[in-house]
Amino acid sequence: EPEVTQTPSHQVTQMGQEVILRCVPISNHLYFYWYRQILGQKVEFLVSFYNNEISEKSEIFDDQFSVERPDGSNFTLKIRSTKLEDSAMYFCASSEMATPQHFGDGTRLSIL
Amino acid sequence: KQEVTQIPAALSVPEGENLVLNCSFTDSAIYNLQWFRQDPGKGLTSLLLIQSSQREQTSGRLNASLDKSSGRSTLYIAASQPGDSATYLCAVKGGSEKLVFGKGTKLTVNP
Repeated sequence: EPEVTQTPSHQVTQMGQEVILRCVPISNHLYFYWYRQILGQKVEFLVSFYNNEISEKSEIFDDQFSVERPDGSNFTLKIRSTKLEDSAMYFCASSEMATPQHFGDGTRLSIL
Repeated sequence: KQEVTQIPAALSVPEGENLVLNCSFTDSAIYNLQWFRQDPGKGLTSLLLIQSSQREQTSGRLNASLDKSSGRSTLYIAASQPGDSATYLCAVKGGSEKLVFGKGTKLTVNP
């Protein structure tokens, strides 16, 4: 069964550094998402992406965040200047229209 | 603003027992509801999706029901097994693309 794959599985970064999280969505999917889960808390929506542009973003997704689909297969989340509170598990998801969202295994981001 | 609540937060049962997990949401104007399973340190595995026009969905030993007007969904697990031990998350999709998640129910099935 097709899967959403995310790399790396664990990223450790110094505060203030830039980090890029990578995702390969399921190949025929059109909608792409990033969510995050701070330890012990709910999964929170960050951003959705469709037709090469952001379709929706949450209040968490401020100017330090950006997303990109640099080619036909990858979908990336960039955090420009990381803060301690950015430490979380970041999940990528993808879907077709009106179908279940399929999630990757996540990237655990640790900010030191 | 949509809020999703799951009760109980944790549940421990002996193997073989049938069980029900509950999910409630504050805004009944949903498009669909999705149940996920999350194993420790892992991603989210989609179990069932119920469209707003549907009352229930079944997959193997799992049955999910939806009562949109009362803002409730239940996930019924029949004949539970130790391998069912995980956290079960409920998420609703409203008029936008995002899913709004509950905090989950941590299920432990004891052999």
